[in-house]
Amino acid sequence: RKEVEQDPGPFNVPEGATVAFNCTYSNSASQSFFWYRQDCRKEPKLLMSVYSSGNEDGRFTAQLNRASQYISLLIRDSKLSDSATYLCVVRVLPGTASKLTFGTGTRLQVTL
Amino acid sequence: NAGVTQTPKFQVLKTGQSMTLQCAQDMNHNSMYWYRQDPGMGLRLIYYSASEGTTDKGEVPNGYNVSRLNKREFSLRLESAAPSQTSVYFCASSTEIYGYTFGSGTRLTVV
Repeated sequence: RKEVEQDPGPFNVPEGATVAFNCTYSNSASQSFFWYRQDCRKEPKLLMSVYSSGNEDGRFTAQLNRASQYISLLIRDSKLSDSATYLCVVRVLPGTASKLTFGTGTRLQVTL
Repeated sequence: NAGVTQTPKFQVLKTGQSMTLQCAQDMNHNSMYWYRQDPGMGLRLIYYSASEGTTDKGEVPNGYNVSRLNKREFSLRLESAAPSQTSVYFCASSTEIYGYTFGSGTRLTVV
């Protein structure tokens, strides 16, 4: 079983739609959670951290369910510029190294 | 405002050739990482360095070596390139608390 699993998509949605991605992780010791965005042929960039109480950043809302070991990302009022691959990322802290484990990503395509 | 700088951006190697990918960060981060990204596989950790003077293997270290030259620089060396090492390579750095900052990547093709 992969440490971090995501539906690869693609999710094709019209502009203005609401879309949600889920991600599950296998290591119950995971301590930090993030969503990254990766545009085609570019490096991943941090979109937002995910906190236990849930958090919002503009049109983006992230939720964490530790009991079920899943993370979600909700995008409201989708824009064409939201088209990208969204990576679910988890950190376990073994000792002094803060390695991140990446999911393979969910591709979003927003259309007119 | 450079962040993480990787060189080169593109490289074509013949099987058996060697090369070093360079990475430098100017954010005073302790930890640095090398990942490779392949279609359908996601980002996989090759090597990491938790602090200057230390390096450790990640998920896919075979065929690679690294050097943490100082706090700023972390290089990745392919001693004898193989077609299976054709990939996009990303260097990243981080603090202990926050997420990574990535370089723009090196697209390597081994023929």
